[in-house]
Amino acid sequence: RKEVEQDPGPFNVPEGATVAFNCTYSNSASQSFFWYRQDCRKEPKLLMSVYSSGNEDGRFTAQLNRASQYISLLIRDSKLSDSATYLCVVPKRGGFQKLVFGTGTRLLVSP
Amino acid sequence: DAGVIQSPRHEVTEMGQEVTLRCKPISGHNSLFWYRQTMMRGLELLIYFNNNVPIDDSGMPEDRFSAKMPNASFSTLKIQPSEPRDSAVYFCASSQQGRRNTEAFFGQGTRLTVV
Repeated sequence: RKEVEQDPGPFNVPEGATVAFNCTYSNSASQSFFWYRQDCRKEPKLLMSVYSSGNEDGRFTAQLNRASQYISLLIRDSKLSDSATYLCVVPKRGGFQKLVFGTGTRLLVSP
Repeated sequence: DAGVIQSPRHEVTEMGQEVTLRCKPISGHNSLFWYRQTMMRGLELLIYFNNNVPIDDSGMPEDRFSAKMPNASFSTLKIQPSEPRDSAVYFCASSQQGRRNTEAFFGQGTRLTVV
């Protein structure tokens, strides 16, 4: 099993739709997780951190399911500006912070 | 805060040439990471440093790649000799390592093309 797996997409949704992505991870000892957003030809930037069961920030909700080893990102009322690639990030086993990135899920929001 | 600063932003070089990428992490951060991103393989961690010491270089693809961090405010990633398959975007990131994993802040990247 890969350390971090994501559906590459693309997810094509209309404005206003609700969309969710899942990310599975193999390191059962991981305690914290991140969702990063990457725009085309730009660097990744932190979108949300997930330290316990979940986190909510406006239209964005991240949830953690430790039993099944996946995290999800839910985007409500999607905007054109949400079009980007969303990267799931999981710290790698070993103590020091070593972030392993998924390959990303591409989201396209259309008018 | 200026953020993570990488140079150059773009580099085009001929196969066989030496390439040096530079990174200045955010002041006060004690961890520094070098990543490589390609369409095929996504973001791959090449090496990371903690307090200027290389902790894990298992992601470095081969001996042609080397990285140094002579002090807390500067790191280099060198490729010698370069090959066309090294073409990618190379990101440097830094973070403040603590009890809880904290986010990594990325530089704008160096887009390397080896012809």
